[in-house]
Amino acid sequence: EIVLTQSPGTLSLSPGERATLSCRASQSVSSSYLAWYQQKLGQAPRLLIYGASTRATGIPDRFSGSGSGTDFTLTISRLEPEDFAVYYCQQYGSSTRTFGQGTKLEIK
Amino acid sequence: EVQLVESGGDLVQPGGSLRLSCAASGFTFSSYSMNWVRQAPGKGLEWVSYISSSSSTIYYADSVKGRFTISRDNAKNSLYLQMNSLRDEDTAVYYCARGVSGSVTTPSGYWGQGTLVTVSS
Repeated sequence: EIVLTQSPGTLSLSPGERATLSCRASQSVSSSYLAWYQQKLGQAPRLLIYGASTRATGIPDRFSGSGSGTDFTLTISRLEPEDFAVYYCQQYGSSTRTFGQGTKLEIK
Repeated sequence: EVQLVESGGDLVQPGGSLRLSCAASGFTFSSYSMNWVRQAPGKGLEWVSYISSSSSTIYYADSVKGRFTISRDNAKNSLYLQMNSLRDEDTAVYYCARGVSGSVTTPSGYWGQGTLVTVSS
């Protein structure tokens, strides 16, 4: 089973700042089958990025994904108030589709 | 509009069984793979199970293997999760989620609002 470790656990930033979230895999993620989700309190997750760097439909271009192999990054270029939430990475290239433990992005 | 509506969540005793359903609408259900994902109270997301569009490929998380069974009825546009031998640690909101495409390797692009399963005596 591929274990995904996200860092930091909590990120405190202000609106307008740049956010960089990390997701590290215990083994190489096949064909960059790595996705990022956003979840707000009381809501279902929303797909942001898949294939490591492809934005899902309707996702603003301030969200970008990068990386390959075992190291992946989600970058939010300029934080908007609605971006403060919990972010999860997930690999879907193996039979067991694991999630990371999440990064909470909070307002500083 | 894609809609996924889960049902069947309830309070059940340890060792008991429960069947969750997910009613799909707004898309050709038989063309997409589906997943169940759960979230324990105050915790992160945990992938539970995957089923391909034709039911030919099924995967389970180790934590539920041998106890849970995923299935689907394409004629009824419905996804199911039969949960047996339930444990306290199965307490969670259970989400059904649709793949972005019909591929086996696809992330979950659409999610229901979830149904709560509570396992407690």
